[in-house]
Amino acid sequence: GAVVSQHPSWVICKSGTSVKIECRSLDFQATTMFWYRQFPKQSLMLMATSNEGSKATYEQGVEKDKFLINHASLTLSTLTVTSAHPEDSSFYICSARRTSGRGDLETQYFGPGTRLLVL
Amino acid sequence: QKEVEQDPGPLSVPEGAIVSLNCTYSNSAFQYFMWYRQYSRKGPELLMYTYSSGNKEDGRFTAQVDKSSKYISLFIRDSQPSDSATYLCAMSARGGKLIFGQGTELSVKP
Repeated sequence: GAVVSQHPSWVICKSGTSVKIECRSLDFQATTMFWYRQFPKQSLMLMATSNEGSKATYEQGVEKDKFLINHASLTLSTLTVTSAHPEDSSFYICSARRTSGRGDLETQYFGPGTRLLVL
Repeated sequence: QKEVEQDPGPLSVPEGAIVSLNCTYSNSAFQYFMWYRQYSRKGPELLMYTYSSGNKEDGRFTAQVDKSSKYISLFIRDSQPSDSATYLCAMSARGGKLIFGQGTELSVKP
């Protein structure tokens, strides 16, 4: 299989605080992980591409100082929402792409998502 | 024009029906095609993955790719209420970002 976990699954925080979300590939190595944001009834919006050992690549319009990404190992990427505000409330989903192995190198496997509510 | 077009639905069918979900795309560089299923408040789950024109079958699911027409389909046979979810098509060029369709909301009524 190709299992990706996320922690926490949901979080409520006060405005101005920082929140860290972890994304782990449990049974495969992932050189590349991705962070998405999803609003209700909408498709996934790519925020950034996270590469192990290097800086993340952010999509246009995504503030890199607000959404800090660290890809510390081949199985772990973290997203930190700094100084969170109510407009940051959303569903955040990570995905991972295999480093090697079978013929599905272009496929992304998704985590279960983290629901963030900023009060 | 969006790179990937997908009818958002909603689509409602009776249990046991054959469901046809479709996406069209404009970028001829796309080589890899995926279908994901997403239940409410959950992350997308990979259903089918293909990188060539033709059909690929997995149980009740069949993915079809027609690169000449830039058209992909997902067929669900003998649909069940548990198939009720949003279905997302996604595609990419080699090493490129995954581009998603808007998602089709499917409801299978008992």
